Amino acid sequence: QKEVEQDPGPLSVPEGAIVSLNCTYSNSAFQYFMWYRQYSRKGPELLMYTYSSGNKEDGRFTAQVDKSSKYISLFIRDSQPSDSATYLCAMKNTGRRALTFGSGTRLQVQP
Amino acid sequence: EAGVAQSPRYKIIEKRQSVAFWCNPISGHATLYWYQQILGQGPKLLIQFQNNGVVDDSQLPKDRFSAERLKGVDSTLKIQPAKLEDSAVYLCASSPELQETQYFGPGTRLLVL
Repeated sequence: QKEVEQDPGPLSVPEGAIVSLNCTYSNSAFQYFMWYRQYSRKGPELLMYTYSSGNKEDGRFTAQVDKSSKYISLFIRDSQPSDSATYLCAMKNTGRRALTFGSGTRLQVQP
Repeated sequence: EAGVAQSPRYKIIEKRQSVAFWCNPISGHATLYWYQQILGQGPKLLIQFQNNGVVDDSQLPKDRFSAERLKGVDSTLKIQPAKLEDSAVYLCASSPELQETQYFGPGTRLLVL
């Protein structure tokens, strides 16, 4: 079993839709949770960063962490064609500074 | 602020040849990471440096991969000899001291034929 599971998609939605992206994980030591966006042939770009449980909002993006269920989510409101990319969840514990990534979900927002 | 720089952007080699990648992190970032991203997968850590010392190289295939970070700034990753399964994107990332966020470069796309 992988430490971090993520549905690969592709997920196709119309412009303006609310998008929900999710990851589950098995390592209860993970304390830091991140979402990266990766456009084709580019490096990952940090979108959201959350410590421990709770919600965090930044513009059209909301990240949620439920440590009791080992489940994290990223919501995108009013999705735009420019949001079309692969979204990677990543997490780490306090001791090890490297990230453990999910396999990524490919999102396509249709105009 | 300039981002993480990597070169070359693309490389095609034949199996059993050697190849080297270069990374220049964001100025002042103490920690440098090399990740391997195989098509359809998330990045996987190969090696982590703190300044010029190795923190974690537990997933680096040391029989063929090597990396160094001279003077705690630039880093090179080498593969010798390359295998078909080394075809991937090699990502370099850096982070400031005492911060958890990592900043990624554009990657080097390697194809081994």
